[in-house]
Formats: sequence, structure tokens, C-alpha cells
Amino acid sequence: EVQLVESGGGLVQPGRSLRLSCAASGFTFDDYAMHWVRQAPGKGLEWVSGISWNSADIAYADSVRGRFTISRDNGQSSVYLQMNSLRSEDTALYYCAKGPGLYQPRFDHWGQGTLVTVSS
Amino acid sequence: QSALTQPASVSGSPGQSITISCTGTSSDVGTYTYVSWYQQHPGKAPKLLIYDVRNRPSGISNRFSGSKSGNTASLTISGLQADDEADYYCGSFRNTKTLSFGGGTKLTVL
Repeated sequence: EVQLVESGGGLVQPGRSLRLSCAASGFTFDDYAMHWVRQAPGKGLEWVSGISWNSADIAYADSVRGRFTISRDNGQSSVYLQMNSLRSEDTALYYCAKGPGLYQPRFDHWGQGTLVTVSS
Repeated sequence: QSALTQPASVSGSPGQSITISCTGTSSDVGTYTYVSWYQQHPGKAPKLLIYDVRNRPSGISNRFSGSKSGNTASLTISGLQADDEADYYCGSFRNTKTLSFGGGTKLTVL
């Protein structure tokens, strides 16, 4: 059974940093691209970032480029999101999701999300 | 403001069919076949319904179908059921090598 388990969320002050993790199991991790998608409270989905199976290709939404960094460790079957210079508008439930490719919005499995709250 | 435009809400009665539109531009929906649809029930993670415009993952009912014409993709749900009441999102690849979602459509089953 495919499982994606996010962790690392919490309450953080504006301007500070946070690192999210997503532990994967139940599939061959390094066969797939991995993505982060967020959802602000009561709002819609927003794609944040994606990374190819071998980390050779990485993409970011304009809203986070230059502040967030995605990475993965295939040996640990994990993907990470380093979030710096956090803003109130980054407050959201952050999901990790798997897909066949970096540029395909085909997310066939999602985690349950980890909540990030940016507030003073 | 989302890159892809969806109606805020649609409604239908049990047994009827409804269609949700997703309008983009020639930079995304109009050019690429990487268009997907998701269903999200309250408090749950999204669920993939359609990928590559019209393909259903294993286990998804054939009551869900996808299509595209020009810059607009569409999700049709036939034989509406109470459990179809949820939020629906489209997603697409963009020529900026990023992905985007529509703003979401709330489906109410009357």
C-alpha cells in the first residue's frame, strides 16, 4: 500500500524557516517525481514545487521561488521542503504527492498533509 | 487568482449529468494534454479522477469523463450520486514549466 506521511509543520513567526519532510513507502520511490501542493484554509489547491526522480530537474511556483527549496533522498525514500523567509500567505496545509513526471499534474497518491501556520 | 478558471459552483439532482469547465490559455490547456481532475471531500486529501485530459486511473468509475476543446477542459459526471458532492479541481502543465490548478468548483447534489 502506498503511503506518504508528511511531518514538520507547526507555528512559525514571519521571516523564520521551517523544513517539511515526507516519508514514502509502498512503491519504488526513485521511479517517481515528487511534489508539494498546499491548500490555505478554506481555499483551493496550489502547486508549490516538484522534483524529478533523480533530482536533475526541479520546478517552483512563482510565489515561492527563491524562498523554498525542494530536495529528496532516494535512499531514505523521502522528499523535503525547506521553507525560508516565511510569510503569512504561506499558511496552509502542505501535501506531498507522487506522480510519474515533474511536468505532469497527475498525482495519484497524496499524504494527509502537515499544517504550517505563519503568524507572530 | 488561479491560472485556470472554473465556475465557483454547480449543482444537479441525483441521476442527472453535470459538466465542470476549466478554462486556460494557449500556454497551458490549449496546447498540452497534461490536464487532470481531482475530487476533494471536506477534510480529505484530493483524489485523482482524470489524467491526460480523458484517462481514468484504475478504480475510478466510468461515470467520470474528461474532454478538451481549445483552451477549455471539461469534467462530466453522469448519474449523479449523493457522494459526488465535493470540491473539484482541474490541473494543467504550463509552458513556464510549472503546474497550476483551477480555483475549484463546489458540486452540490440537490
